[in-house]
Amino acid sequence: GESVGLHLPTLSVQEGDNSIINCAYSNSASDYFIWYKQESGKGPQFIIDIRSNMDKRQGQRVTVLLNKTVKHLSLQIAATQPGDSAVYFCALAGGTSYGKLTFGQGTILTVHP
Amino acid sequence: SAVISQKPSRDICQRGTSLTIQCQVDSQVTMMFWYRQQPGQSLTLIATANQGSEATYESGFVIDKFPISRPNLTFSTLTVSNMSPEDSSIYLCSVVTGAGELFFGEGSRLTVL
Repeated sequence: GESVGLHLPTLSVQEGDNSIINCAYSNSASDYFIWYKQESGKGPQFIIDIRSNMDKRQGQRVTVLLNKTVKHLSLQIAATQPGDSAVYFCALAGGTSYGKLTFGQGTILTVHP
Repeated sequence: SAVISQKPSRDICQRGTSLTIQCQVDSQVTMMFWYRQQPGQSLTLIATANQGSEATYESGFVIDKFPISRPNLTFSTLTVSNMSPEDSSIYLCSVVTGAGELFFGEGSRLTVL
């Protein structure tokens, strides 16, 4: 079956540093990828997405990189702030299953002031 | 966008009882889903709530344990039946709008004693 994994379960950074969170996936049929942020007691919050016809997409302070050759996805957060502290999940969907997401295990990002 | 309201937001239940969680959306949506997030873990898709027909369950989830209703395009319920402590989780509703946007509710945190 399909699996999604993260390289690092926890990440601690200093305020102002850049953060990189990684995600590996196995299903080459996946064509839509999303990064979510989940704060304690809340539901997942959309950060940024990317489709398989792209290899990079930028948002406000965030960049998602997709390498389909090695089935790897990353989220880069620039100038990380204490408010960025949360659990970050990658999620993917494919084919006709848009909306049915497979989630990675999650990375806990802690930003120290 | 879509605003999703889940009720209850949290509950403590006794073993062997059942609880119904409601998901109300402020606009008509094309697709609705239910996810489970066990303590300290990622999200797992339970089922797709189909309007006017039986839900489509993912592997490992069955209708007798997680009956789902979706009577219209803005509302769905998930029942957790005959609960055990292993059912203690956050249950999340997600929707896909007509514009193809995907949103999550804040979740219903269930503790089974």
